[in-house]
Amino acid sequence: DTGVSQNPRHKITKRGQNVTFRCDPISEHNRLYWYRQTLGQGPEFLTYFQNEAQLEKSRLLSDRFSAERPKGSFSTLEIQRTEQGDSAMYLCASSLGTGDEKLFFGSGTQLSVL
Amino acid sequence: RKEVEQDPGPFNVPEGATVAFNCTYSNSASQSFFWYRQDCRKEPKLLMSVYSSGNEDGRFTAQLNRASQYISLLIRDSKLSDSATYLCVVRARQGGKLIFGQGTELSVKP
Repeated sequence: DTGVSQNPRHKITKRGQNVTFRCDPISEHNRLYWYRQTLGQGPEFLTYFQNEAQLEKSRLLSDRFSAERPKGSFSTLEIQRTEQGDSAMYLCASSLGTGDEKLFFGSGTQLSVL
Repeated sequence: RKEVEQDPGPFNVPEGATVAFNCTYSNSASQSFFWYRQDCRKEPKLLMSVYSSGNEDGRFTAQLNRASQYISLLIRDSKLSDSATYLCVVRARQGGKLIFGQGTELSVKP
């Protein structure tokens, strides 16, 4: 499968725990995005990378959220001290990074914070 | 005001109907515009880009009105398989992030 891969598919955790999600983009894609989506809403932008550089991070994102893309390939999104309000689908997407290209999304990681 | 706003929906239409979705955006300097489709419990996928001159892809027609900061999607001869959520998407600047609207749910009934 050469699409965007996200792991795990589902994550259930207790409030206060830390969680980490992984995204493997399409191999030749330079851009990588993280979005969050809750029921009945569109994807909400979190952050994006051009290769290993994090170009923008949403102002809505608290300091509990951090993302990395150390070698410009896969990326991780960590949430520290999870809260019930963090429960959502976390979507990763990648693109070529050449300008106005389309995004290819992964299937997402569904996070449930109990 | 949200950066991208869409009709709240849901839209329930019979097969064969024509349905139109509207979207407005707040940043007048926005560069690029798209419609994405999201099936239930699936990831969003690009449906079509929206060009200033308007564009058509089969039964789907997209229009952009920069003066009114308004985007539309028209679906003719609706099929059952068109049932999905349609997301209006705007890119504020060249190479920048994509901003999604809340989505409009369409349900096409036999």
